Amino acid sequence: RKEVEQDPGPFNVPEGATVAFNCTYSNSASQSFFWYRQDCRKEPKLLMSVYSSGNEDGRFTAQLNRASQYISLLIRDSKLSDSATYLCVVRSLGGGGNKLTFGTGTQLKVEL
Amino acid sequence: GAGVSQSPRYKVAKRGQDVALRCDPISGHVSLFWYQQALGQGPEFLTYFQNEAQLDKSGLPSDRFFAERPEGSVSTLKIQRTQQEDSAVYLCASSPPGSGQISGANVLTFGAGSRLTVL
Repeated sequence: RKEVEQDPGPFNVPEGATVAFNCTYSNSASQSFFWYRQDCRKEPKLLMSVYSSGNEDGRFTAQLNRASQYISLLIRDSKLSDSATYLCVVRSLGGGGNKLTFGTGTQLKVEL
Repeated sequence: GAGVSQSPRYKVAKRGQDVALRCDPISGHVSLFWYQQALGQGPEFLTYFQNEAQLDKSGLPSDRFFAERPEGSVSTLKIQRTQQEDSAVYLCASSPPGSGQISGANVLTFGAGSRLTVL
């Protein structure tokens, strides 16, 4: 079983739709949680951190449930420019305390 | 520099050939990471440096893979006797001082990657 699991998609949604991505992680000692965005043939870029209390950044809302080891990302009012792969990322205390483990990513396609 | 610079951007190697991939992190960034991303997969951790010290190399898939950062800035990932399964994008990322156990990942900046194809 992979340490971080995501539904690979693709999720094809119309512009303006609300879409939710889920992610589960297996290491209960994981420390920090993030969502990264990766455009086709580009490098991953940080979208947002995920806090226990839940957090929002414009149209994006992230939630964390430590008891269930579950992370989610909600995108409201989808734009064409949101089309990308969304990577769930978990940080654990590896050798240097900075080991990031990525999920396989969930692909989103926003269509007209 | 303004960002993390990786070279070459593209490398085609014949099976059995040795390759060297270079990463030039953002100036002043003490932490440097190497990841391997196969097609359709998320990045997989390879190794981590803090300055010149390699603190975690648990992700290196075999002893054919070797990474170094001798002066705490530029890093080289070397793959000896390449195999077809080594074909992937190799991503380098760096983060600044103070990015330790509390705040590390939120300031991780990736380079554009080196795409290796082994024939």
